[in-house]
Parts: sequence; structure tokens; C-alpha cells
Amino acid sequence: QIQLVQSGPELKKPGESVKISCKASGYTFTDYAMHWVKQAPGKGLKWMGWINTYTGKPTYADDFKGRFVFSLEASASTANLQISNLKNEDTATYFCARRAAWFDYWGQGVMVTVSS
Amino acid sequence: DIVLTQAPLSVSVTPGESASISCRSSKSLLSSKGITSLYWYLQKPGKSPQLLIYRMSNLASGVPDRFSGSGSETDFTLKISKVETEDVGVYYCAQFLEYPFTFGSGTKLEIK
Repeated sequence: QIQLVQSGPELKKPGESVKISCKASGYTFTDYAMHWVKQAPGKGLKWMGWINTYTGKPTYADDFKGRFVFSLEASASTANLQISNLKNEDTATYFCARRAAWFDYWGQGVMVTVSS
Repeated sequence: DIVLTQAPLSVSVTPGESASISCRSSKSLLSSKGITSLYWYLQKPGKSPQLLIYRMSNLASGVPDRFSGSGSETDFTLKISKVETEDVGVYYCAQFLEYPFTFGSGTKLEIK
């Protein structure tokens, strides 16, 4: 069955970096784009951007340009999100989501906590 | 950016009764291919969002037919008939017509 399994929770200090992963299984990884969605505590869903899993080209929403990097380990069917120079406002759950014509499968989410 | 405005912010429903959630778009979501690119998701507590309705009015696989979606090019409604306790969570509308993809602010459904 199709699954997106994300890495575990992270606790970081301001200024540090974090890399979270999203491992896909049950389908051909390069056939579907992978998107990233942020959810701050108690808040709604915010689209961050996506990565073309065939070419590796990332596209970022305006609010996520600069400190955010989408990457792939295609041989491992894994998409990664790296956030550098972490800020308190980066505290959130980050979801990966596969896109067919819509987001049909989601990862379980990774809670990233930024606190001094 | 396309803004999706949901109402109400929260709704409290007695089991067996109906509930309706509204989503209004700042721009037509009708594509040149005649597809209305409006989707409904339910996020149950502590879980990832799950698809309920795709392309405005189509029931996703495995979703009970108590859920239905309707609307026009800019105004959309999710109706839940005969609400059950398992329906609790936050409902989001979403548009995948154009980048940046956007979500409504969510409607929390509680059981009385």
C-alpha cells in the first residue's frame, strides 16, 4: 500500500538547522510530485512548495524562499526538507504530501520545536 | 493569491443532525478544462488531513455518502448529513487551481 513515512520529532535551538525526511513506498516515486505543508500549533495549513521528483527541481512559496531547501534521495524514494537558521516561528508540524491532481497521500507529519 | 474564506469558524452538532460549511474563493476555481478545482479535507485530532471531496462535488474513495459537496465557481458548501461522533475535527477547503496552493482557515466541528 502507498505510504509516506516521515522522520521523528525534532527539538532545536534558534539558529540551528534541521533536516526532515519523507520516505515513499508502494508506488513509483518519480511519477508524482512531492509537496510540503506547514501547520503551526493550533493553526491552519500553509503550502510551502513542491519538488519535481523526476527532475529534482524545487519550487518555493514566497514565504519559504531563502532558508528552506527541498531535496531528494531518489534512489531511496525519499524527499527531504531542510530548514536553516531556525527561528521560533518555525515551530510547527511539517507534512509531506503526494500530489496526483490533488494531495491524495500525506505523511504523518514531523513536529519541529525551536526553543532556546 | 487565491483567498479561501471559510465559515463558520466552529460548529457544534448533535449526532444525527446535519452541518454545513461554507468556503468562498476570491477567484473563480473553474479551470479552462471545465474542472472546478476545490477540495475538502478533514483533519482529525492528531492526524494528517484526509481527502473528503475532490473537484467540488466528487466523493473520495472510502468516504461515507453522508458527505457531499456543491457550489458554483466561487462559492462552495460541504454538507454533512446525520453527523456521527467520528466526524469531529477541522474541515479545510483547498484550491489546487494555481500556485500558490491555498487552504481555508478551517472549521472545527464538535459534537454536542
